[in-house]
Amino acid sequence: DGGITQSPKYLFRKEGQNVTLSCEQNLNHDAMYWYRQDPGQGLRLIYYSQIVNDFQKGDIAEGYSVSREKKESFPLTVTSAQKNPTAFYLCASSIGRLAGPSSTDTQYFGPGTRLTVL
Amino acid sequence: QQPVQSPQAVILREGEDAVINCSSSKALYSVHWYRQKHGEAPVFLMILLKGGEQKGHDKISASFNEKKQQSSLYLTASQLSYSGTYFCGTMGGSNYKLTFGKGTLLTVNP
Repeated sequence: DGGITQSPKYLFRKEGQNVTLSCEQNLNHDAMYWYRQDPGQGLRLIYYSQIVNDFQKGDIAEGYSVSREKKESFPLTVTSAQKNPTAFYLCASSIGRLAGPSSTDTQYFGPGTRLTVL
Repeated sequence: QQPVQSPQAVILREGEDAVINCSSSKALYSVHWYRQKHGEAPVFLMILLKGGEQKGHDKISASFNEKKQQSSLYLTASQLSYSGTYFCGTMGGSNYKLTFGKGTLLTVNP
């Protein structure tokens, strides 16, 4: 089955610890994305990557870091610098040709990881 | 800039209709609609491209008014399974980013 997997589904960490969230896709998509979701806030973009070994900051990148060493993997590290890390984190991927007026590319989401910092 | 969705929430009885709007202040290439059940991933519904195209499947359809930079999602004869939060994502410019609205919570009661 093709799809996007995220692990773990639930994650608990102590304040001040770094934590890494996993995102893997076997859809052969070039582009991958990380979003944070808080109640009433919608989806906010943290980082995105259009190609291996390249990534760009989204709207709320402070306190987060990513890597894209393989096409199928895009892990997100929530660092101790992130002041309010408790949230639902969603990973997504797309073919990679999202830009342009005639593009029908869209994003497909993984099941999410709910991170709680105690 | 984040698109504005309205209403923020709507409650229906099974069989009733609803319209959810998504407005942007910038020129758009496309609008993407998703539905999310509580605690789950957003599921892609449809994409509307610039040109006023109307699309749909089953009893859910949508339109895109290019002049107004507004898209509307139409749910007719609602079913219990339609309950969830509906998000619009907008695309404009030359980057690869979708910008999502804050969502509309739709509740369908028996």
